Amino acid sequence: AQTVTQSQPEMSVQEAETVTLSCTYDTSESDYYLFWYKQPPSRQMILVIRQEAYKQQNATENRFSVNFQKAAKSFSLKISDSQLGDAAMYFCAYRIPGTSYGKLTFGQGTILTVHP
Amino acid sequence: KAGVTQTPRYLIKTRGQQVTLSCSPISGHRSVSWYQQTPGQGLQFLFEYFSETQRNKGNFPGRFSGRQFSNSRSEMNVSTLELGDSALYLCASSLSLAGEETQYFGPGTRLLVL
Repeated sequence: AQTVTQSQPEMSVQEAETVTLSCTYDTSESDYYLFWYKQPPSRQMILVIRQEAYKQQNATENRFSVNFQKAAKSFSLKISDSQLGDAAMYFCAYRIPGTSYGKLTFGQGTILTVHP
Repeated sequence: KAGVTQTPRYLIKTRGQQVTLSCSPISGHRSVSWYQQTPGQGLQFLFEYFSETQRNKGNFPGRFSGRQFSNSRSEMNVSTLELGDSALYLCASSLSLAGEETQYFGPGTRLLVL
């Protein structure tokens, strides 16, 4: 079974600084997709970034970028120039194509606090 | 384009009752998935619907059921509620079943069972 592990229950960062959230996963699949979702206090899950396993290039979305290490099964999220609005719970998630269809497997989450 | 909507947003029930939650996907999206989020178990997959058929199911008892209508709207039902069913229930929609499709989430329904 696929598992996703976020080893940092909580992280904090100063406004305008950079922070990296860690995620590792366990799978025997070669083709899969990885996601970072953000869940602010409103509880709305918001997609931050996605990465296709077959792509070697790391995905970026404005201030958000990932460090995808397929061999190490690692998928970390870097947030640059942190803003107060980045404070939220961040979830790493994994999904494979094929028979598992819609199932996203989530990590336990990392609470990010941003200090002014 | 409007996002995923879920109704009601909050619900209080007592043990033994049943409850129905509703989810309207993003226009054009045909796949709807449901997740349960609790502090202890985190986010767990309940089931997924596509073209009015359940395509995948998580490890939940038969008290949890769902359905999808021809307009892709989905409902989930929990019968004989237990205290442990208190949770945030999230619905997510995507264009299709394809694994590369991104799932977009609704705001959730917070269920409290007393």
